Amino acid sequence: NAGVTQTPKFQVLKTGQSMTLQCAQDMNHNSMYWYRQDPGMGLRLIYYSASEGTTDKGEVPNGYNVSRLNKREFSLRLESAAPSQTSVYFCASSEGWGGRETQYFGPGTRLLVL
Amino acid sequence: GQQLNQSPQSMFIQEGEDVSMNCTSSSIFNTWLWYKQDPGEGPVLLIALYKAGELTSNGRLTAQFGITRKDSFLNISASIPSDVGIYFCAGQRNSGGSNYKLTFGKGTLLTVNP
Repeated sequence: NAGVTQTPKFQVLKTGQSMTLQCAQDMNHNSMYWYRQDPGMGLRLIYYSASEGTTDKGEVPNGYNVSRLNKREFSLRLESAAPSQTSVYFCASSEGWGGRETQYFGPGTRLLVL
Repeated sequence: GQQLNQSPQSMFIQEGEDVSMNCTSSSIFNTWLWYKQDPGEGPVLLIALYKAGELTSNGRLTAQFGITRKDSFLNISASIPSDVGIYFCAGQRNSGGSNYKLTFGKGTLLTVNP
């Protein structure tokens, strides 16, 4: 089991460029999440998907879009990158049942927007 | 929105010392989780707590779910250099349906001096 995988590991963008961050999990989890981590801010939820075919906004969704391609994959898209989106992005997944929430995280994507 | 107050923000200790950190909230949570993040990696789950008053150990780590459901603490005994990292607490309230969002604390940075 690879768990949660993310690509790319690093990316540098110019302001206005677009890109898609990929995430996949092999644990047959129903729920998937995208977070951003900034110094001193902890982890903030961008978007989540409770199950295949559904997506919902989290705490900081502006400037992002997501796609739950299938049960395994959940992508995050930046349509027009801004320097404020420089951050480390983490994808996570969980079974999401019975009130016992355990989220498993990927290794992260480090994004720099110039 | 919900907020978790995690303290201390950072700790610098000598190898062999015990460590204690905690999280408090103005809201009740159904689940408390403790994660550790090594530099350049994603958070890794250490301990999950599901019942008020629950005390759970994982090796040298012990965590407790507060009776009021509004707090949790993590203790590390006999610290070693590899304990270095950022420790996050996370609380979960049942938001209904099949999805359970987490709220994260801002983290405690632990440095262990050999």
